[in-house]
Amino acid sequence: DAKTTQPPSMDCAEGRAANLPCNHSTISGNEYVYWYRQIHSQGPQYIIHGLKNNETNEMASLIITEDRKSSTLILPHATLRDTAVYYCIVRGHQTGANNLFFGTGTRLTVIP
Amino acid sequence: DAGVIQSPRHEVTEMGQEVTLRCKPISGHNSLFWYRQTMMRGLELLIYFNNNVPIDDSGMPEDRFSAKMPNASFSTLKIQPSEPRDSAVYFCASSLAGGLTGELFFGEGSRLTVL
Repeated sequence: DAKTTQPPSMDCAEGRAANLPCNHSTISGNEYVYWYRQIHSQGPQYIIHGLKNNETNEMASLIITEDRKSSTLILPHATLRDTAVYYCIVRGHQTGANNLFFGTGTRLTVIP
Repeated sequence: DAGVIQSPRHEVTEMGQEVTLRCKPISGHNSLFWYRQTMMRGLELLIYFNNNVPIDDSGMPEDRFSAKMPNASFSTLKIQPSEPRDSAVYFCASSLAGGLTGELFFGEGSRLTVL
């Protein structure tokens, strides 16, 4: 699976959009981009994933560049409860290769 | 809906003791994963099962660690004998479709402290 690079930490004002970047320059054609987050003392939580089109759900939007070498997770209106570590993971959908490898992630702090 | 259930939530034990962590996956999920999280190493995959069969245990640190999944609704992770360096939060996760979609559902974790 391709490796990802994320900034170690970011701050965002409450109510503003939080834009979390991720570089995955070695991504291959069949690999998806996944985002998870981990709120303090809880298990990781799935947010969203995509292949090449932009995706949106009730939690966030995922913007993937045309060359697929980077992506941005957008939390449109950050709240204090969004303070967490956000993990960007690249993974293929292959039978028998079902595991996820978590890196160090980005620690997002939402400031009142 | 009940999520992934792990027990115990917290365990404090002495070096050399046996530790058993338990996990009940979400009903209908056919893949189960055990992860360990420490400050130094982050989240590490220890082992995962598809349809109760261990698929990849390359992340299991050493022979002191063992995991079983006797049926679709229960899994255990055992450490015998335990050592202080095993202190960590152990997470269990489950997924549908063999984890093919990459959407894993995690439990709340079991925080283990070995003195």
